[in-house]
Amino acid sequence: AQSVTQLGSHVSVSEGALVLLRCNYSSSVPPYLFWYVQYPNQGLQLLLKYTSAATLVKGINGFEAEFKKSETSFHLTKPSAHMSDAAEYFCAVSENNNDMRFGAGTRLTVKP
Amino acid sequence: DTGVSQDPRHKITKRGQNVTFRCDPISEHNRLYWYRQTLGQGPEFLTYFQNEAQLEKSRLLSDRFSAERPKGSFSTLEIQRTEQGDSAMYLCASSLVGDTTALGYGYTFGSGTRLTVV
Repeated sequence: AQSVTQLGSHVSVSEGALVLLRCNYSSSVPPYLFWYVQYPNQGLQLLLKYTSAATLVKGINGFEAEFKKSETSFHLTKPSAHMSDAAEYFCAVSENNNDMRFGAGTRLTVKP
Repeated sequence: DTGVSQDPRHKITKRGQNVTFRCDPISEHNRLYWYRQTLGQGPEFLTYFQNEAQLEKSRLLSDRFSAERPKGSFSTLEIQRTEQGDSAMYLCASSLVGDTTALGYGYTFGSGTRLTVV
């Protein structure tokens, strides 16, 4: 069965520093992988997705993620954090496009 | 089209009462999903529709929960005899299966309905 593990429920970085949010997945078939961002009291917004094309995926707001099959990982990165990046980030996996399973989320705090 | 709309945004109800939420998906999307999100957790899958057919239900969806999408457009999620454990954010999402554009295989979420059972 598909599942996602997000390492670190809370990550804190300084403004301008590298952002690295970790996601490992489990799937019995080649998966679709996603990162979503959620701001307080709002729904989830798609940042980027992997659908078996290029392994390095670029998304909105300067974020990107790399699919590494050998490590079953799909970590999210951004070279330079901005205050507006502070939010909850969710990694998700879908095996068959019928439903999506989410990780528990990582709360990103950006310090000035 | 302004995206996925959910109504109401907030609902406070007394334990034992019935509540109904509505979701209006993006009009051309054929898939509609319901998720539940509790504080500090990721969204948990409840059920999904392809057009008007309900194709999968999670074991989280007890017999007190029912969802409908009668004409393949909007959907309703009803919770009967609410319990305090039902307090959560209920998220609706839609997608277009087979869409190979940039948003293909990704969902568009609504802002959610926050339910508080007192």
